[in-house]
Amino acid sequence: AQSVTQPDIHITVSEGASLELRCNYSYGATPYLFWYVQSPGQGLQLLLKYFSGDTLVQGIKGFEAEFKRSQSSFNLRKPSVHWSDAAEYFCAVGIQRKDSSYKLIFGSGTRLLVRP
Amino acid sequence: EAQVTQNPRYLITVTGKKLTVTCSQNMNHEYMSWYRQDPGLGLRQIYYSMNVEVTDKGDVPEGYKVSRKEKRNFPLILESPSPNQTSLYFCASSLSIKGSTEAFFGQGTRLTVV
Repeated sequence: AQSVTQPDIHITVSEGASLELRCNYSYGATPYLFWYVQSPGQGLQLLLKYFSGDTLVQGIKGFEAEFKRSQSSFNLRKPSVHWSDAAEYFCAVGIQRKDSSYKLIFGSGTRLLVRP
Repeated sequence: EAQVTQNPRYLITVTGKKLTVTCSQNMNHEYMSWYRQDPGLGLRQIYYSMNVEVTDKGDVPEGYKVSRKEKRNFPLILESPSPNQTSLYFCASSLSIKGSTEAFFGQGTRLTVV
């Protein structure tokens, strides 16, 4: 069965420190991979996505993610965290159903706290 | 501005009292869906619609109904809400049904059923 695992429920980093959020997926075919961010009281905003090609993808707000097929991972990184990055982050896989529709399977999310 | 608009943002209701959460998008998107978000479970798809008058069940459809009479609107209906439907609900839309297509999300509706 398809699934997405985000092993860290909470992560706390100091402002200016680097960040890595982990994401592992289980899916038999080539995945479409996404990272979304949810700020308090807001909907989800797309940070970046991977479909094919270069395995290192750049997103908005200085985030990047690397697809590693051998590890079934799509970890999100940022070299220097800002206080405004405090939010909840969701990794998702886009999968195609037999009726050609698709759905997003989300991980359970990682809440990022930023220390001043 | 391109957006997905949900109403209401917050709702407290009593068990069994029918309610509707509206969702509207102004991007002429074909594909719309509803998700619920619960702590530790991420977002799970309730229903989806590939186009007008075409809807189908997602992973957790029990207790919900939807309709798609117009392309822009995709209301979520709870005929007889129960406390286990207390959750944060998101409507999403995307240009096509392809798995690579970006989904745009509304701001969410926090529903409490007492």
